[in-house]
Amino acid sequence: NFMLTQPHSVSESPGKTVTISCTGSSGSIASNYVQWYQQRPGSAPTTVIYEDNQRPSGVPDRFSGSIDSSSNSASLTISGLKTEDEADYYCQSYDSSNGVFGGGTKLTVL
Amino acid sequence: EVQLVESGGGLVKPGGSLRLSCAASGFTFSSYTMNWVRQAPGKGLEWVSSISSSTSYIYYADSVKGRFTISRDNAKNSLYLQMNSLRAEDTAVYYCARDGGELYIRFDYWGQGTLVTVSS
Repeated sequence: NFMLTQPHSVSESPGKTVTISCTGSSGSIASNYVQWYQQRPGSAPTTVIYEDNQRPSGVPDRFSGSIDSSSNSASLTISGLKTEDEADYYCQSYDSSNGVFGGGTKLTVL
Repeated sequence: EVQLVESGGGLVKPGGSLRLSCAASGFTFSSYTMNWVRQAPGKGLEWVSSISSSTSYIYYADSVKGRFTISRDNAKNSLYLQMNSLRAEDTAVYYCARDGGELYIRFDYWGQGTLVTVSS
């Protein structure tokens, strides 16, 4: 079964840039679109990146997504970190007709 | 405005059953594939099941196959999840999520979730 692996946690200071990785277990991660969701405590997830690198309206351009085929991974980069960015982030893709989520990364902004 | 409102969660004993509902509004419900996604306490997101717009295609995660049944009523703009033979590991917040992808899977709108607790 296809799996996505994320670091359990990352931390960085306000104003800095952080990158969260999402590595595919098999095949080519570039073959299927990757989405990124932000989830704050007690709330439902919301999309910050879709189709690898597209931002929904309302998501600041501090958020960007990319694919690195050489490492079979996707990345979410957040620049100019703000304390409000502190949340859990999940990557998501799919395998056949099943949705697949990464295990999530807790971002701490301190 | 797209809205998804789940209901039907609660406390149930192991081996018991529960039916979740999701009321949709603000979009043409009958045009979208719909999903259930769950999150165990303190854990990550897990896709559970999906149903296509016309119910032609239905898929389940291996962890619930044979125990859960997804269905929908397009006339009532509603999505359902019948959960049987519940286990402690099914304890989670269950989210209803719209698939906004075109020929791929993407969860563009989520409900607020309903908590299912399986415990004796």
